[in-house]
Amino acid sequence: DAKTTQPTSMDCAEGRAANLPCNHSTISGNEYVYWYRQIHSQGPQYIIHGLKNNETNEMASLIITEDRKSSTLILPHATLRDTAVYYCIVRALSNDYKLSFGAGTTVTVRA
Amino acid sequence: NAGVMQNPRHLVRRRGQEARLRCSPMKGHSHVYWYRQLPEEGLKFMVYLQKENIIDESGMPKERFSAEFPKEGPSILRIQQVVRGDSAAYFCASSRLDGADSPLHFGNGTRLTVT
Repeated sequence: DAKTTQPTSMDCAEGRAANLPCNHSTISGNEYVYWYRQIHSQGPQYIIHGLKNNETNEMASLIITEDRKSSTLILPHATLRDTAVYYCIVRALSNDYKLSFGAGTTVTVRA
Repeated sequence: NAGVMQNPRHLVRRRGQEARLRCSPMKGHSHVYWYRQLPEEGLKFMVYLQKENIIDESGMPKERFSAEFPKEGPSILRIQQVVRGDSAAYFCASSRLDGADSPLHFGNGTRLTVT
């Protein structure tokens, strides 16, 4: 399965955009990039996913580079409630339900 | 529009007792997955079920653990004769379809403490 690399932590100011990078240089052509977050004491929350094109929903935007080797999750206007651990996951085609949650990026939004 | 519902949220069992964890998937979802998160570790896949069928249980310990997803009612993860090492957060997820384009949606978990 393709591995992902994320920064260990990052801070963000409330009201500003938060840009979370992820490297997945060994991703295969048909593998999806998924983002989840886990707020303390809760289950992982699905944010967004994409294959090749950029995606946007009510929570965030996902920008995938043309070579698909990296992506960026954008939270357009971070709030204190966005403080969480964010996981970038490449979802394999086989056994695609075995999501690999690494260490993620701990994002702290500060007032 | 209820999400994945798990109960109980917290469960305390003495060593040797049985633990039963319940999961009701999102409406319209027929695929259920169980994951376990040990303290200070990431989530690890345990088992994948569809209605009345176990599709993949490769992540389940071979003994004492079982899972079911009956035709009617919630999915159940059962742990017999619990030991301290079973203390963890157990998360259930569901998806509408199988395949990498169908997101898994997680519940808020059951935190099992074995004393």
